[in-house]
Amino acid sequence: DIQMTQSPSSLSASVGDRVTITCRASQSISSYLSWYQQKPGKAPKLLIYAALSLQSGVPSRFSGSGSGTDFTLTISSLQPEDFATYYCQQSYSTPWTFGQGTKVEIK
Amino acid sequence: QVQLVESGGGVVQPGRSLRLSCAATGFTFSRYGMNWVRQAPGKGLEWVAVIWYDGSIKYYADSVKGRFSISRDNSKNTLYLQMNSLRADDTAVYYCARDLRPVTAITAPVGDFDYWGQGTLVTVSS
Repeated sequence: DIQMTQSPSSLSASVGDRVTITCRASQSISSYLSWYQQKPGKAPKLLIYAALSLQSGVPSRFSGSGSGTDFTLTISSLQPEDFATYYCQQSYSTPWTFGQGTKVEIK
Repeated sequence: QVQLVESGGGVVQPGRSLRLSCAATGFTFSRYGMNWVRQAPGKGLEWVAVIWYDGSIKYYADSVKGRFSISRDNSKNTLYLQMNSLRADDTAVYYCARDLRPVTAITAPVGDFDYWGQGTLVTVSS
């Protein structure tokens, strides 16, 4: 199985900050990488697919980059509604696997 | 609009069975691969199973293989998860999730999940 490792596990940031979350795969997954946002008590929401494609309706302050084993989710200017937990997920091969999550908290 | 509504969760004793359902509306259900994803209390997300748009192919996480079975009824726009031999570590919120791409010449799901249900809680406890 492909292991996905996110860093950091949590971070504190202020509104307006630029935030970067990284995700590393245990083997090359090409660009088969998605990012999800989850708020407490809610279902996850797809933000980015195919490593850098923005899902319809997602604000442009979210962006993704990377390929192979190393990927990044960037929030260019953190907004109050962005405080949540973020997960990466590989869709290169089943079993599809998620990272352990990165919790973005208010500083 | 796309809507996925899970049902069937509850409290069940270890070793017993439970069947979850996911009713889909707002899209052509028969054109999409569908998935179950679960989340144990306070933990991260775990993909459980996928079924092809026509039910022809199914894949499972190792943790549920041989115990869980995913199925669908395209005439009823409904996805199912039959869970047998339940264990305490199966306790989780179970989400159904739609694959991002409808079937085209490429029939395999892409493994990205664009719509999710609200989840149904399964608690395995004596």
